[in-house]
Amino acid sequence: IAGITQAPTSQILAAGRRMTLRCTQDMRHNAMYWYRQDLGLGLRLIHYSNTAGTTGKGEVPDGYSVSRANTDDFPLTLASAVPSQTSVYFCASSDSAGDGADTQYFGPGTRLTVL
Amino acid sequence: GQNIDQPTEMTATEGAIVQINCTYQTSGFNGLFWYQQHAGEAPTFLSYNVLDGLEEKGRFSSFLSRSKGYSYLLLKELQMKDSASYLCAVRDSDYKLSFGAGTTVTVRA
Repeated sequence: IAGITQAPTSQILAAGRRMTLRCTQDMRHNAMYWYRQDLGLGLRLIHYSNTAGTTGKGEVPDGYSVSRANTDDFPLTLASAVPSQTSVYFCASSDSAGDGADTQYFGPGTRLTVL
Repeated sequence: GQNIDQPTEMTATEGAIVQINCTYQTSGFNGLFWYQQHAGEAPTFLSYNVLDGLEEKGRFSSFLSRSKGYSYLLLKELQMKDSASYLCAVRDSDYKLSFGAGTTVTVRA
């Protein structure tokens, strides 16, 4: 593994189903993030974690939950998917949630379609 | 929260220069980032500004004016591979990034 991986690459899901998007990083970054990207709206933060064991809500958290049991993994769960959650989901990580040129590195994305 | 504006699309000729403007209104400012995103791929980091002025990195430069809430990304000697979306992102006082909708740049031969 090098960098950030996400799984699955793409998924078609029936409305009402539960779905977990996986994200793993091997850079030992403290902070991790989940974004969704929709045409015309750009990237919007769903949830974040500044360090293992802590999580926080972003701009659009409703309908999503996260956990951060360890440094490397940050899964995103849709408890009961709805069509408005059709989007491309990007996981990102950064060395810290602090200042400086602390760059966020993005995973390859998961394309989710909810029917 | 943040309000970030950038043009939707720009077109330029190979070898030319293009300037992508970004204006923002913020409740707290802690740096401005530019990312490049090719179609179907993840965003990748291009530049970071936290102080006023110009940061140059090869063919790409980024400028920031905090008093005006304004930044631009300058792409020089355009190449076909520069066709992509360019995302302006502002980091707030909570160290969270807010992204603009992105500017799609098309480079023509």
